[in-house]
Amino acid sequence: GAVVSQHPSWVICKSGTSVKIECRSLDFQATTMFWYRQFPKQSLMLMATSNEGSKATYEQGVEKDKFLINHASLTLSTLTVTSAHPEDSSFYICSATKGGRSPLHFGNGTRLTVT
Amino acid sequence: QKEVEQNSGPLSVPEGAIASLNCTYSDRGSQSFFWYRQYSGKSPELIMSIYSNGDKEDGRFTAQLNKASQYVSLLIRDSQPSDSATYLCAVTYSGGGADGLTFGKGTHLIIQP
Repeated sequence: GAVVSQHPSWVICKSGTSVKIECRSLDFQATTMFWYRQFPKQSLMLMATSNEGSKATYEQGVEKDKFLINHASLTLSTLTVTSAHPEDSSFYICSATKGGRSPLHFGNGTRLTVT
Repeated sequence: QKEVEQNSGPLSVPEGAIASLNCTYSDRGSQSFFWYRQYSGKSPELIMSIYSNGDKEDGRFTAQLNKASQYVSLLIRDSQPSDSATYLCAVTYSGGGADGLTFGKGTHLIIQP
C-alpha cells in the first residue's frame, strides 16, 4: 500500500510557458501532500505543503504566484510552474502520507527541462 | 531550528561487507525516524522506519536508534553493488509523518565489487 503516482515523469517546455504536474495517492487518502525540488547533486528542498481544501503553505523563498498548487481532492494535488524559465529546470517530487506516524511516500518525480 | 546531520561521503565499502551509515539530529522531541534510499535521477524510496530505542531489522537492513545520544544509524549487511545510492535520514517531531519532516543531506554510498 501507500502508492503515490506522479505524472508526467519528464517534460520539456519552452521558456514562458506553463507546466502542470499531477500527484495522486492511489490507495489512500492524503489530506496533506508535499512538493519538493531537487537540483543535480543537491539535497531535497521542500517547496510547499499542499492542504486539501485550503491554500498551500510555501517555504521561504518559494514564489507562490509562480508555483501554483491546487489540492482539490483527498487524492490529487497539482503543481503548476507558470511562465517557466531555464532556471526552473529541476527534478520535482511530490510526496504524501497516510497521517499519524506513517512515513512519507514519494512519487517517481518529474524532470522538468525549460529551453 | 531542527537539524539532521549526515556525512555526505562518499562512503566506499567492499562488496559483502557491512555498510554503516550514521545520522544525528538536534531536536530531542523527535519521535519518528526514517531511512530513504535514492538512486541517481530517481525519487527517494522508504527503506526503514524506527520509532523506539534499540534495533530494528528487516532483511539485510538494521536501523538503530539511540534517543539519549540523538543518533540513528543504518547497517547494511552483505553489501551489494545495487546498494550503491544516496541514503537520506529523515526525522519528524510531531509524531506525524506529515509535519516537521526534516531530511539530512544524504550519504553517498559506493559498494565496490
